[in-house]
Amino acid sequence: GQQLNQSPQSMFIQEGEDVSMNCTSSSIFNTWLWYKQDPGEGPVLLIALYKAGELTSNGRLTAQFGITRKDSFLNISASIPSDVGIYFCAARRTSNQFYFGTGTSLTVIP
Amino acid sequence: GAVVSQHPSWVICKSGTSVKIECRSLDFQATTMFWYRQFPKQSLMLMATSNEGSKATYEQGVEKDKFLINHASLTLSTLTVTSAHPEDSSFYICSARDVETRGNTIYFGEGSWLTVV
Repeated sequence: GQQLNQSPQSMFIQEGEDVSMNCTSSSIFNTWLWYKQDPGEGPVLLIALYKAGELTSNGRLTAQFGITRKDSFLNISASIPSDVGIYFCAARRTSNQFYFGTGTSLTVIP
Repeated sequence: GAVVSQHPSWVICKSGTSVKIECRSLDFQATTMFWYRQFPKQSLMLMATSNEGSKATYEQGVEKDKFLINHASLTLSTLTVTSAHPEDSSFYICSARDVETRGNTIYFGEGSWLTVV
């Protein structure tokens, strides 16, 4: 079952605003992944984090692997309408043990 | 980046029939693939882990005789929904683990919409 607490569950923001979402857990993980899912499609990998404290950017997206290895956050700067979708975090403990967050639904109002 | 392809993208079948969904890793070998089910506006629900050359590992509550999984090669896993019923209608997504990437990154297929009428 899922062991990741993702928040917020949903966000409604104005175009141009920054967005922040996070995932937390009581367990330690070795890898954190962030995905975006557009309606009717499979999730697409945005950022992968492999080391505690690691901060990685992908365009307007920035994600960090928490120093305690129990959390991660994703920031989106200067949001645009195409950022709309559901964002999932995922974390890996061992090779086959992946867990998913419950998702953050993002709506960007033009 | 790595690509995982699912086929068909959508399928409509009659109640009582079986339907097969394929998941292929196009540019990497995947010893492990995963099958998920997703209801509208909900997160992914892991159904089973598909291991190449061995039996799949099913999550609690998932009927292995109803959702048959075969992982015949390092690039292909199939999910067969047997004796489908309307309540099986859902969005099914597969993912594959690329062991060559640091951290064993998972890549998802595009998903398959199943409608049982």
